[in-house]
Amino acid sequence: GAGVSQSPSNKVTEKGKDVELRCDPISGHTALYWYRQSLGQGLEFLIYFQGNSAPDKSGLPSDRFSAERTGGSVSTLTIQRTQQEDSAVYLCASSLHWTGHFFGQGTRLTVV
Amino acid sequence: DAKTTQPTSMDCAEGRAANLPCNHSTISGNEYVYWYRQIHSQGPQYIIHGLKNNETNEMASLIITEDRKSSTLILPHATLRDTAVYYCIVRVVGFSGNTPLVFGKGTRLSVIA
Repeated sequence: GAGVSQSPSNKVTEKGKDVELRCDPISGHTALYWYRQSLGQGLEFLIYFQGNSAPDKSGLPSDRFSAERTGGSVSTLTIQRTQQEDSAVYLCASSLHWTGHFFGQGTRLTVV
Repeated sequence: DAKTTQPTSMDCAEGRAANLPCNHSTISGNEYVYWYRQIHSQGPQYIIHGLKNNETNEMASLIITEDRKSSTLILPHATLRDTAVYYCIVRVVGFSGNTPLVFGKGTRLSVIA
């Protein structure tokens, strides 16, 4: 596709359940980032993949959060045992080496 | 923490130029200045970036002071669709990899008819 695609666009889950969020980056982009934006809060970095290097996980808020990127393309962000404070919009972005980030439209996660 | 300082909000009349300032007094020599905007309920949108020279593209112009401690994003003819939160970000870009974006609170620009 022409842009970064994220699915699902909305997800409602019960507290304690696991969720998986998917990101399809722009073809050929070597870097992939996950951010989240809580209601009324700024954008917060979570994790970053660059080529075949080990991911930068420094922004993950707890060990319930993990992400993988298969084949250097599609990425999945997994949140285990979801909590209400995990409710947010999760944004994925991709980029080439020096270009700006191109963001998807996000997945709005609601934990009830 | 964000390394930039921006006004919380600004208004601009439709059709006029919008000039959005940003202070980044602690910027390092290998840090670029990036601008993004976020229209309500959408993902952030890349606008422009620069190192030390002024830059222009189809969306905006970026003016960076000679000492690189501040910059201004210029939207030459603001429209109602330019109403958004504008983020100024400094970021290292290197051949060994890029750094994530660190977003501050940005400037909420309201374009008024």
